[in-house]
Amino acid sequence: GQSLEQPSEVTAVEGAIVQINCTYQTSGFYGLSWYQQHDGGAPTFLSYNALDGLEETGRFSSFLSRSDSYGYLLLQELQMKDSASYFCAVRDLSSGYSTLTFGKGTMLLVSP
Amino acid sequence: DSGVTQTPKHLITATGQRVTLRCSPRSGDLSVYWYQQSLDQGLQFLIHYYNGEERAKGNILERFSAQQFPDLHSELNLSSLELGDSALYFCASSVGPSGGAESTQYFGPGTRLTVL
Repeated sequence: GQSLEQPSEVTAVEGAIVQINCTYQTSGFYGLSWYQQHDGGAPTFLSYNALDGLEETGRFSSFLSRSDSYGYLLLQELQMKDSASYFCAVRDLSSGYSTLTFGKGTMLLVSP
Repeated sequence: DSGVTQTPKHLITATGQRVTLRCSPRSGDLSVYWYQQSLDQGLQFLIHYYNGEERAKGNILERFSAQQFPDLHSELNLSSLELGDSALYFCASSVGPSGGAESTQYFGPGTRLTVL
């Protein structure tokens, strides 16, 4: 089966940089995705890494190291609206490549 | 707005009842996925349909069933409801079923089910 570990909560101040880590155990790993979810809202796709390295999209970057079974989401220039839950999710062979197994999420609290 | 629509937004029902949740994928997407999100279990994958055919099953109870119709909309049927079925149910869609960017999933706004 698959398992993902991410911190349950992270706090930071406006303008700061925060990194949310995700470690995973899976067979036939195919890619790591990140989603943002505001309270009660829909998960929103942020990024997808299939290969090692850093992917940058505006203030958000995502990193993957397949050899370490590790990835992180980096949020820069934090804004109050970034307060939300962030989920890492893996695709793997056992789930047919396209289905996602989610971590339990990291709640990010941004304070003024 | 992801382009995925779900109805109804809220549903309140009693134990033992049956409900149907509906999802319309983004235009051009052939894959539909259903997820259940509860406070203690997080986002749990239930089932995946691609172009009308079931492709993968996750932790879906036997009381639950789904289908995808020729117009690609999907319905999730929940029967013999229990208190523990109270949760947010999300539908997501993607272009295709295989790995790669084409299977990036976009989520609908969800249906909040409350079983009393």
